[in-house]
Amino acid sequence: AQSVSQHNHHVILSEAASLELGCNYSYGGTVNLFWYVQYPGQHLQLLLKYFSGDPLVKGIKGFEAEFIKSKFSFNLRKPSVQWSDTAEYFCAGGSGNTGKLIFGQGTTLQVKP
Amino acid sequence: GAGVSQTPSNKVTEKGKYVELRCDPISGHTALYWYRQSLGQGPEFLIYFQGTGAADDSGLPNDRFFAVRPEGSVSTLKIQRTERGDSAVYLCASSPAGLAGGRKTQYFGPGTRLLVL
Repeated sequence: AQSVSQHNHHVILSEAASLELGCNYSYGGTVNLFWYVQYPGQHLQLLLKYFSGDPLVKGIKGFEAEFIKSKFSFNLRKPSVQWSDTAEYFCAGGSGNTGKLIFGQGTTLQVKP
Repeated sequence: GAGVSQTPSNKVTEKGKYVELRCDPISGHTALYWYRQSLGQGPEFLIYFQGTGAADDSGLPNDRFFAVRPEGSVSTLKIQRTERGDSAVYLCASSPAGLAGGRKTQYFGPGTRLLVL
């Protein structure tokens, strides 16, 4: 069965620290990968996505993610976090033409000022 | 422009009752999705509409759940004989036409928080 897993459930960082959130997927075929973010009191919004081509993708607000096919991973990174990055982060995968997204459990990021 | 809207924002009902949750997608978006998010979990896919038809309803948990999109825009998720385990946030998302389904960015609404007592 298709699945997406996120390793870290709760991460606490100080401002200016570097961030890496893990995401692994387990399904074959065409892989479309996404990172969504939910800021406190707001709805889910897209950070970045990968379909094909350059495995290093850049998103909004200085986030990037690297697709490593051999490791079935799509980790999210940011070199220097800010207090405003406090949010819940979801990795998701979509396969083929269905449009159906399979989400990971989510990672709550708390950035201390 | 206006985003995806969902009504009501909160719904409290009693076990065994019927509820309807409404989703207004972004104007012109042909694809519409419903997800359910339980506390501490990621969203879980329920159903996907392309136009008026349900292209994938594999996530509906049982026959108490049903969704319609009669004119290809607004959608209603209907839950019969609600159970306490149905308590969750129900999210709706929409996507424009163009890219293959699996590549589309989904734009999410704020959700409806359903509590079944």
